[in-house]
Amino acid sequence: EVQLLESGGGLVQPGGSLRVSCAASGFTFSQYAMNWVRQAPGKGLEWVSIISKSGSSTDYADSVKGRFTISRDNSNNTLYLQMNSLRAEDTAVYYCAKDQGLWLLPELDSWGQGTLVTVSS
Amino acid sequence: DIQMTQSPSSLSASVGDRVTITCRASRSISSYLNWYQQRPGKAPKLLIYGASSLQNGVPSRFSGSGSGTDFILTISSLQLEDFATYYCQQSYGTPTFGQGTKLEI
Repeated sequence: EVQLLESGGGLVQPGGSLRVSCAASGFTFSQYAMNWVRQAPGKGLEWVSIISKSGSSTDYADSVKGRFTISRDNSNNTLYLQMNSLRAEDTAVYYCAKDQGLWLLPELDSWGQGTLVTVSS
Repeated sequence: DIQMTQSPSSLSASVGDRVTITCRASRSISSYLNWYQQRPGKAPKLLIYGASSLQNGVPSRFSGSGSGTDFILTISSLQLEDFATYYCQQSYGTPTFGQGTKLEI
């Protein structure tokens, strides 16, 4: 059974940094691209970032480009999202999601339970 | 970016009803359209990918159709567990989601 477990969320001040993680199990992590998707409180879903199987290719939403960095450790089956220069509008539940689709044609077939990031002074 | 517009934003229905939700793309996305279900307090779940392919384990009362700019999610006979919010998502360009359709009793 595929399991994705996010961690690292919390309260951070505007302009601060935070790294969230996603521990994967139940599948061969290194064979799938992975994504981050976020959901502001009471709002819809927003795709944030994608990373290729090897980690050599990445892409970002315009809203986070230059501030967020996605990475992965295939030896430890873990996905990361480093978030810098955080803003109030980055407040959201952050989900990691496994991608069954072709590269840059994401089909998000498994999701974690999410971790809440709150940006506030 | 490609904008995705769902209609309606909310929908009241009853168990056993046939329901359709529409998703329109701001430009053609071929068949690169996926549908997700999200129950309150839970993570989204993939229902349909490639506009019309049923994800493994999803009940056959769910179906998807369309191509180009106009897509439809159909639930043939609503069950109690289907009352949730549904999102479309395009993967033709930088992925974007529709705003969601809340299906209520």
